[in-house]
Amino acid sequence: DQQVKQNSPSLSVQEGRISILNCDYTNSMFDYFLWYKKYPAEGPTFLISISSIKDKNEDGRFTVFLNKSAKHLSLHIVPSQPGDSAVYFCAATAGNMLTFGGGTRLMVKP
Amino acid sequence: DAGVIQSPRHEVTEMGQEVTLRCKPISGHNSLFWYRQTMMRGLELLIYFNNNVPIDDSGMPEDRFSAKMPNASFSTLKIQPSEPRDSAVYFCASSRIFDRGAYEQYFGPGTRLTVT
Repeated sequence: DQQVKQNSPSLSVQEGRISILNCDYTNSMFDYFLWYKKYPAEGPTFLISISSIKDKNEDGRFTVFLNKSAKHLSLHIVPSQPGDSAVYFCAATAGNMLTFGGGTRLMVKP
Repeated sequence: DAGVIQSPRHEVTEMGQEVTLRCKPISGHNSLFWYRQTMMRGLELLIYFNNNVPIDDSGMPEDRFSAKMPNASFSTLKIQPSEPRDSAVYFCASSRIFDRGAYEQYFGPGTRLTVT
């Protein structure tokens, strides 16, 4: 039973445009959500997070939106850059343990 | 800080052999997590420790897997005997626990294990 799902395995975007990565979850106990970025041959690195008491968190080019009623969160990257090409994982937690989605491979074309 | 350190980075072994993966967490972090990444199952948590004590090992696939954390700066994940289906990338991550739990986890570079 996948509690965190990323339904798009890959996404291709032109440099300078917006990238939108989506994530759905089923466990209503999750109260904190995170996005990680992973380059090949490296471990995931923390990107941005949001608490369930908020609906938006912004950090530079990255914004995470949370829709609790829909159990949906999204990551917006504006403008997208070729260096953003990586696999993005969303994760959710109700305590110490993170539950990860399957990841979305983002390709930003120059 | 050097970040989370894992060794070896790559391990190739034959079926039936014992494999030991090592992790040094970030200094000051009091939670440590072992993950496995495969194409089929994605990134799955195997076990995690708080203050060197194993808290949840429900993700450990079977008795062939064991993990220890003898002190705050070192942990091992052992597979004995190894099987080809254990081939995966194994990540170690560490975090600092706050009152409401450990959130941002910092991952090591991973160990790519191949069992032939």
